[in-house]
Amino acid sequence: DTAVSQTPKYLVTQMGNDKSIKCEQNLGHDTMYWYKQDSKKFLKIMFSYNNKELIINETVPNRFSPKSPDKAHLNLHINSLELGDSAVYFCASSQRTRMVSDTQYFGPGTRLTVL
Amino acid sequence: AQSVTQLGSHVSVSEGALVLLRCNYSSSVPPYLFWYVQYPNQGLQLLLKYTTGATLVKGINGFEAEFKKSETSFHLTKPSAHMSDAAEYFCAVRVVPLFSGGYNKLIFGAGTRLAVHP
Repeated sequence: DTAVSQTPKYLVTQMGNDKSIKCEQNLGHDTMYWYKQDSKKFLKIMFSYNNKELIINETVPNRFSPKSPDKAHLNLHINSLELGDSAVYFCASSQRTRMVSDTQYFGPGTRLTVL
Repeated sequence: AQSVTQLGSHVSVSEGALVLLRCNYSSSVPPYLFWYVQYPNQGLQLLLKYTTGATLVKGINGFEAEFKKSETSFHLTKPSAHMSDAAEYFCAVRVVPLFSGGYNKLIFGAGTRLAVHP
């Protein structure tokens, strides 16, 4: 009964490859997010989707393309992977898009290592 | 611009001692503040949040935080540390970016690693 799940948990790949990370939430939330946590644990938002629509894009390189087939899923596809993409990627969701008091629920993270 | 500063990237306490993790925010509007905890190799879990109302907020696992507008602070405390409290703690502020149509996002501090020793 995991609320926010991500697959895979670990991803090791070579530079230049293309990879995807999947996220699913079973909370019935409208909004989903992708965050990147670097090696120093700094956590920064990348994207936010509301009901399949992109609402926040934090000047992420266009090699990163989020896709939301429905409001319960938000996948992250990364083209031409670079060493600097190595990080832990977290998916999150919240119930109501414009409610600033809403809690965001985080997935367990995907540790991406680019060799 | 709104931001969060966590003083002390590492804090070490003895089991049973007071835990104090510091967080200061910068915000031009009334802030919505959050503390999250990240246990090793896990995702973030909400400890507590301040939205409006009572400035002393109680959270899970015996933690609490007090919103002090005059000091722009939202420090996290726990009277008696337990070994299981060892984790990374993140303070965050909810912001509404300009031209976002009211949509909001979390800005996180750099995190504080809490170590608890016997």
